[in-house]
Amino acid sequence: EAQVTQNPRYLITVTGKKLTVTCSQNMNHEYMSWYRQDPGLGLRQIYYSMNVEVTDKGDVPEGYKVSRKEKRNFPLILESPSPNQTSLYFCASSFIAFANTGELFFGEGSRLTVL
Amino acid sequence: ILNVEQSPQSLHVQEGDSTNFTCSFPSSNFYALHWYRWETAKSPEALFVMTLNGDEKKKGRISATLNTKEGYSYLYIKGSQPEDSATYLCAFYNQGGKLIFGQGTELSVKP
Repeated sequence: EAQVTQNPRYLITVTGKKLTVTCSQNMNHEYMSWYRQDPGLGLRQIYYSMNVEVTDKGDVPEGYKVSRKEKRNFPLILESPSPNQTSLYFCASSFIAFANTGELFFGEGSRLTVL
Repeated sequence: ILNVEQSPQSLHVQEGDSTNFTCSFPSSNFYALHWYRWETAKSPEALFVMTLNGDEKKKGRISATLNTKEGYSYLYIKGSQPEDSATYLCAFYNQGGKLIFGQGTELSVKP
């Protein structure tokens, strides 16, 4: 089954404790992206990747890191989480990298709470 | 900062009503306009990806139009059903490589 898988789905952590949210897709998509969803603000792009070893900042990259060492994986790293990073996070991927006229396939979301 | 605006923010209709929403986006450096349907507790799912001025797309009772010169897209739902209740998102992709989402229109269809 074609899917985008995120882990963990739910996480409560404390300020400063490094964490990684994994994202994996099995559709051989070149384009992958991370979004955060906050009430009243819609989906905001954190980072995106056009292909292996190519990553770019989205609109809200501060406090996050990503890597794209393999085509299927695009982990989101919070080196020192803070309460303002409490949010619902979505990973998404797409077939067509450069033109991005392909639809995005979303993971199920990861709800992160930073105390 | 590129702005994608959706209106209305929320909409309450009766079963059987037809309805439409608007997505406004920058008319310069246009590459594609996406529409997604997002049900509560689920992930957004793609409805349409539109790239050409004048594009019209249809999926069942849902259709969309695109005007890239003036920077807007309409989403229409004919004969709304309770299962159409969801948040409808549009997203603008420009030549810079970013996909920017609007805040969405939350639709509630009462039986």
